[in-house]
Amino acid sequence: NAGVTQTPKFQVLKTGQSMTLQCAQDMNHEYMSWYRQDPGMGLRLIHYSVGAGITDQGEVPNGYNVSRSTTEDFPLRLLSAAPSQTSVYFCASSSLLAGGGNEQFFGPGTRLTVL
Amino acid sequence: KNEVEQSPQNLTAQEGEFITINCSYSVGISALHWLQQHPGGGIVSLFMLSSGKKKHGRLIATINIQEKHSSLHITASHPRDSAVYICAVSRDTGRRALTFGSGTRLQVQP
Repeated sequence: NAGVTQTPKFQVLKTGQSMTLQCAQDMNHEYMSWYRQDPGMGLRLIHYSVGAGITDQGEVPNGYNVSRSTTEDFPLRLLSAAPSQTSVYFCASSSLLAGGGNEQFFGPGTRLTVL
Repeated sequence: KNEVEQSPQNLTAQEGEFITINCSYSVGISALHWLQQHPGGGIVSLFMLSSGKKKHGRLIATINIQEKHSSLHITASHPRDSAVYICAVSRDTGRRALTFGSGTRLQVQP
């Protein structure tokens, strides 16, 4: 199993450009999420999904879109990149056991710089 | 006030020392997670616990649900333990996403 994979590992964008960060998992997990990690602020939830066709917003959704057409893939789209979106982005997945509290598996991260 | 607070923020230890990192939370949880992140690296789950104590090698995690407090202990610390340790909680209501502490940066010197 590859676990959770993310591409690209590094990306530099100019302000106003759009791009898609890819995330895929091969563990048949229902739950997938995107976080951003900024110095001194910890990880913050951007968007999440509890299954194909179902997505919802997290703490910091503005400027990002997601879709979940398959169980395996959960891409994150930046519509019009801004310098404030410079960050490290992590995708994570977990199963949806009853009662919550499920171990989450993280991808290796994408380091994004917006100039 | 953050829902998940960690202390200390930074910790420097000598090889072989016993290390404790603390985590307090203010919300209802279904589980607490300890994660490890090496510099420039990904995030790895160390423990997930909802009560009591868990041990894996030189790492021990405990949780006190009544006091809303957890500790991560490292026995016989080694330079390879140098990393950021992150406490996170799964809420007991609503979405399953984690709420994270800001992390503890540990440096173990030889």
